[in-house]
Amino acid sequence: AQRVTQPEKLLSVFKGAPVELKCNYSYSGSPELFWYVQYSRQRLQLLLRHISRESIKGFTADLNKGETSFHLKKPFAQEEDSAMYYCALRRYGGSQGNLIFGKGTKLSVKP
Amino acid sequence: KAGVTQTPRYLIKTRGQQVTLSCSPISGHRSVSWYQQTPGQGLQFLFEYFSETQRNKGNFPGRFSGRQFSNSRSEMNVSTLELGDSALYLCASSPGQGSTDTQYFGPGTRLTVL
Repeated sequence: AQRVTQPEKLLSVFKGAPVELKCNYSYSGSPELFWYVQYSRQRLQLLLRHISRESIKGFTADLNKGETSFHLKKPFAQEEDSAMYYCALRRYGGSQGNLIFGKGTKLSVKP
Repeated sequence: KAGVTQTPRYLIKTRGQQVTLSCSPISGHRSVSWYQQTPGQGLQFLFEYFSETQRNKGNFPGRFSGRQFSNSRSEMNVSTLELGDSALYLCASSPGQGSTDTQYFGPGTRLTVL
């Protein structure tokens, strides 16, 4: 079965500390992985996707097919990074609209 | 461009009633997807429409249905409401043509079933 697991419901770090949000997936084919973010009182929005291999707001994520993981990392957390983060998957080359989401991790960055 | 809009933003219904939610995609976008968000189950895919045709469907009962109009606006309908249908319903749109398209989400409609 296709599944995305985010093992941490809440992650709390201090400003300036490194942060890693974990995401593991279960998928038999070739997946496309995403990280979405939802800041307080804002809409869900795309943060980054694995095929772009880019860094957005200092965040990076590498797809590890061997460990079926797509962890989100940032070397120095900022208070404005506090938000809900969702990892999502879809079949590579498949329809854009059919995303499978993890249950999300709430990141809290303390001053 | 204006973002994805959803109406109404809040809705209260009673068990057994039916409800229709509306989504207007970003201008030029032809794909509209619907998701249900609950504290217990998280974000779950309901269905996707592209050019007035349902392209994908999630694992929801037949009480959940949708449609898309020629202007790409979409509606979803839930009949015979149950308490468990209380949720935030999110709509997302994308151009719909390329496999690298980004989905843009609306603010959601908060449905409460009493």
